[in-house]
Parts: sequence; structure tokens; C-alpha cells
Amino acid sequence: DTAVSQTPKYLVTQMGNDKSIKCEQNLGHDTMYWYKQDSKKFLKIMFSYNNKELIINETVPNRFSPKSPDKAHLNLHINSLELGDSAVYFCASSQDSGRQETQYFGPGTRLLVL
Amino acid sequence: AQTVTQSQPEMSVQEAETVTLSCTYDTSENNYYLFWYKQPPSRQMILVIRQEAYKQQNATENRFSVNFQKAAKSFSLKISDSQLGDTAMYFCASNFGNEKLTFGTGTRLTIIP
Repeated sequence: DTAVSQTPKYLVTQMGNDKSIKCEQNLGHDTMYWYKQDSKKFLKIMFSYNNKELIINETVPNRFSPKSPDKAHLNLHINSLELGDSAVYFCASSQDSGRQETQYFGPGTRLLVL
Repeated sequence: AQTVTQSQPEMSVQEAETVTLSCTYDTSENNYYLFWYKQPPSRQMILVIRQEAYKQQNATENRFSVNFQKAAKSFSLKISDSQLGDTAMYFCASNFGNEKLTFGTGTRLTIIP
């Protein structure tokens, strides 16, 4: 059984479009995250939600809007896609938001903006 | 600034040999966790091992072990009896006492048959 799943795995779209990436975890965790991995493989936190509340928002353009309908889901909606948004987006989850918590990652969504 | 540095962009080693990946970090925190994640070609991020900063004993998981030197802010990963399936990008990371992970730039490890 997949612990953290993301859909779609691949997303190819045109500049200016709006797209969403979905994430679900079946681990019973309270905290979920979005990370972006750029073309040089560098990983950086974007957002974190704890029990559906936003706790981290790292200098991300407001074209990116996370939405957490419940604590098992954290979706990422991106408006007006730009070439620079091309990257791999990882969802992750942890039991809680404490400093001792290990984060478990989804398989990633490769986004290509043409 | 809290940073994680991996100074080896690429490494390669013969199958069955031992390899050590380096990681250093900078923080003023005293209580934090350190992690090594593996990213094979499948792109999945897989937790390899974790270390609690207040524990002096080095963590071990089967063929994977760490050499944690808190004073030197060093956290290297040793892979013993390397296998072809160990070929991957390896990322060192820390939460530096908060909710988010800060990652190093990764080391691409290739195991040669």
C-alpha cells in the first residue's frame, strides 16, 4: 500500500495554464508538506500544513496555492504557469510538526511547462 | 543561516566496497535531527537513516551507518558492502529544530559492477 501518493506523476502543459497536483497520505499523519526540486536536484520547502492549517509558507509566488480539504490530503494549485515552474514537486508527511518527526515522501510529480 | 553542505557532487565505487559520503552543516541550534535520503532513478525519496543530535551513539541501519561529529558539525554516511541497488542521489538534510527540512545539494553515487 502506498503511504504517500501523488497524482499525476507527469504533467506537461503550456505556459499560462492552471494546473493542480494532488497528494494523499494514508499514514494517519497530521502534517503535510510540498517541496520543489529544481533541474539541479536542489530540494526546497514550499508549504507545510498541520491539521489543515498553514504553518510554513516559504517565499513562494502567490500563483501557488495549497489547499488541505482534510489532514490526509494536501493539493497544490498553480495559476498562470511559467517556464520556471518546471520542476519535480514532492509531497511529504510526518506524524506531527515537531522537531523529532521524520518526513516521508511521495513519488514526486514531474511538471514540464512548455 | 542554517545550511547543509555536500561537497562531493559525484562518487563511484566498485560493488562490494565501502564508500563514505560527506555532509557538513551549520546551525546554532542544539537540538535537531539529521537525515540521509536516497533518491534512485525512480525519483522516489527514501529515508536511509536518521540521527538525533543529542545522542552521541552513531545510528546504524544494516549496511548503512553514520559518523556524527556534533562539535565539527559533520554527518557522514558510510555504505558497507555496496550493492548495485545503492546507485542513487544521496541527500543529507536536517530540520534544525523546526518543521521544515533543509537539504544539501546531493551526491550522485554510482556503484560499478
